[in-house]
Amino acid sequence: GEDVEQSLFLSVREGDSSVINCTYTDSSSTYLYWYKQEPGAGLQLLTYIFSNMDMKQDQRLTVLLNKKDKHLSLRIADTQTGDSAIYFCAESPQTGANNLFFGTGTRLTVIP
Amino acid sequence: NAGVTQTPKFQVLKTGQSMTLQCAQDMNHEYMSWYRQDPGMGLRLIHYSVGAGITDQGEVPNGYNVSRSTTEDFPLRLLSAAPSQTSVYFCASSYSQNSPLHFGNGTRLTVT
Repeated sequence: GEDVEQSLFLSVREGDSSVINCTYTDSSSTYLYWYKQEPGAGLQLLTYIFSNMDMKQDQRLTVLLNKKDKHLSLRIADTQTGDSAIYFCAESPQTGANNLFFGTGTRLTVIP
Repeated sequence: NAGVTQTPKFQVLKTGQSMTLQCAQDMNHEYMSWYRQDPGMGLRLIHYSVGAGITDQGEVPNGYNVSRSTTEDFPLRLLSAAPSQTSVYFCASSYSQNSPLHFGNGTRLTVT
């Protein structure tokens, strides 16, 4: 089946930029998503990108998609302590009814 | 707007007991799904539904049943709980097959 991989941990200093990376295997993916999970909470949709785009910017968030390398990244500018959370990358395959495949999540720790 | 509501928030079961995890959404979403979240494994799809009266299996369906008698509700049943079903369970919904998923806050289940 599809495989989505992320590194498990990332630490950055407050005010720096964070870059969270994700690789996936399904070349027919239609949408790729970034979700944020705070402790004890559900998953909050941060942003998503359609597979025919290579970049999307939304305030402090920038998503880059390299479809050739099947690589997705999320850049958070001016990282704040409130950004500390687990970030999940997910892909939606072309077949199937919105059945997302998730990475293991990257735990972002922001150091004051 | 309540969004996706899951009950209960926490549950402890003994091996062999049965229970139903409830999920309701008030957004008139056609698509609903159940995921389980285990440490180091991301989220895995259990069952999903593309509309009332229609359900199908996801990646890890064994030990779980679902039904979709109304658009709003999508309960998940454990007929005979096992310790391997200890996990955090998330319900999600979306307007259509290509719309972003909205998640509930999860049910933390422990089977002893």
